[in-house]
Amino acid sequence: KNEVEQSPQNLTAQEGEFITINCSYSVGISALHWLQQHPGGGIVSLFMLSSGKKKHGRLIATINIQEKHSSLHITASHPRDSAVYICAARGGTSYGKLTFGQGTILTVHP
Amino acid sequence: KAGVTQTPRYLIKTRGQQVTLSCSPISGHRSVSWYQQTPGQGLQFLFEYFSETQRNKGNFPGRFSGRQFSNSRSEMNVSTLELGDSALYLCASSFPGSNTEAFFGQGTRLTVV
Repeated sequence: KNEVEQSPQNLTAQEGEFITINCSYSVGISALHWLQQHPGGGIVSLFMLSSGKKKHGRLIATINIQEKHSSLHITASHPRDSAVYICAARGGTSYGKLTFGQGTILTVHP
Repeated sequence: KAGVTQTPRYLIKTRGQQVTLSCSPISGHRSVSWYQQTPGQGLQFLFEYFSETQRNKGNFPGRFSGRQFSNSRSEMNVSTLELGDSALYLCASSFPGSNTEAFFGQGTRLTVV
């Protein structure tokens, strides 16, 4: 079992739909990152969470430390949101080491 | 503010050769981490450097090595290349600390033939 599990692995949506991607982790963490990767490879950091909830535009990320679970929500999805979304856990003393989930491939159709 | 710069962007090497990849972090960032991304294994941590010292190392063979210079720029080296080393190699920089955001470069796509 991976230390960081994401679901679903693939997600297809129609433009305008509300999207949720889930991430569960089995290790103690100091922070949970949500990353976005477009074709071509570059990774963009969307959120870094250690507790509670963060919002940026149409994106919302939440984390429940007790349940070791985080979610990424996209409201009013758009085709430009199509990308791979990856959650990554940073352990308490592991400094720059991130442990990654398998990624969720999101495709939003117009 | 310039982002994380990785060079080269693409590289083709032959089995048995060695390769050196470079990563220039965001100005002021002293922590640089390296990751390997393959279709089969996903993203995996290679190593992290801070103030020219390796702080963490992932589960990779000794053919994978790295270093960091006094200006925080980092290089990673892979010797005796194998076909399985074909991957996207990403570096990320951050301020030191366990609760800081990581900024990724565009990656170097290495193909071993």
